[in-house]
Amino acid sequence: EPEVTQTPSHQVTQMGQEVILRCVPISNHLYFYWYRQILGQKVEFLVSFYNNEISEKSEIFDDQFSVERPDGSNFTLKIRSTKLEDSAMYFCASSDEQQHEQFFGPGTRLTVL
Amino acid sequence: RKEVEQDPGPFNVPEGATVAFNCTYSNSASQSFFWYRQDCRKEPKLLMSVYSSGNEDGRFTAQLNRASQYISLLIRDSKLSDSATYLCVVNPNTGNQFYFGTGTSLTVIP
Repeated sequence: EPEVTQTPSHQVTQMGQEVILRCVPISNHLYFYWYRQILGQKVEFLVSFYNNEISEKSEIFDDQFSVERPDGSNFTLKIRSTKLEDSAMYFCASSDEQQHEQFFGPGTRLTVL
Repeated sequence: RKEVEQDPGPFNVPEGATVAFNCTYSNSASQSFFWYRQDCRKEPKLLMSVYSSGNEDGRFTAQLNRASQYISLLIRDSKLSDSATYLCVVNPNTGNQFYFGTGTSLTVIP
């Protein structure tokens, strides 16, 4: 069964450093998403991406964040200068159509020290 | 007002019991509704979509009440493996983003 994959599974970084989280969505899906979940809290939407551009973003997704689809398979989330409060689980998801079920990857646990 | 609200629980039920969770949503124009389950420190996994007419998948039944703006999930004959956090998810029809509830914790006890 096709699935979303994410790398790395755990990333530890120093405050102020840049990190890139990587995702490979399900191959025939067209809509891609990033969510985050701070420990003990709910899953929060960051950004959606379609047709090589951002279609929606939340207030959390400020200028420190960017997304890219550098090739036909990868979808990346970059945090330019990490803060302590960026520590969270970051989930990538994809769907075949708008408003359809979204399928989530296993997540990257980001720890900012 | 929160987009999606759920009773966080926890619900502790014996094996074989029937348990029901409710969730309310604030945007009356919402069109897509889902239940996901999340195991500890894992990703949300789709349990089922919720259709207007209600739908069933084995021991799981989901229902939508548009007038009262709530969705429900019923689990019959609970198994130990049903222990997880159940997430109510709503797409408010203004775009692609999903709004997640805080989740309801279920523990099935032998």
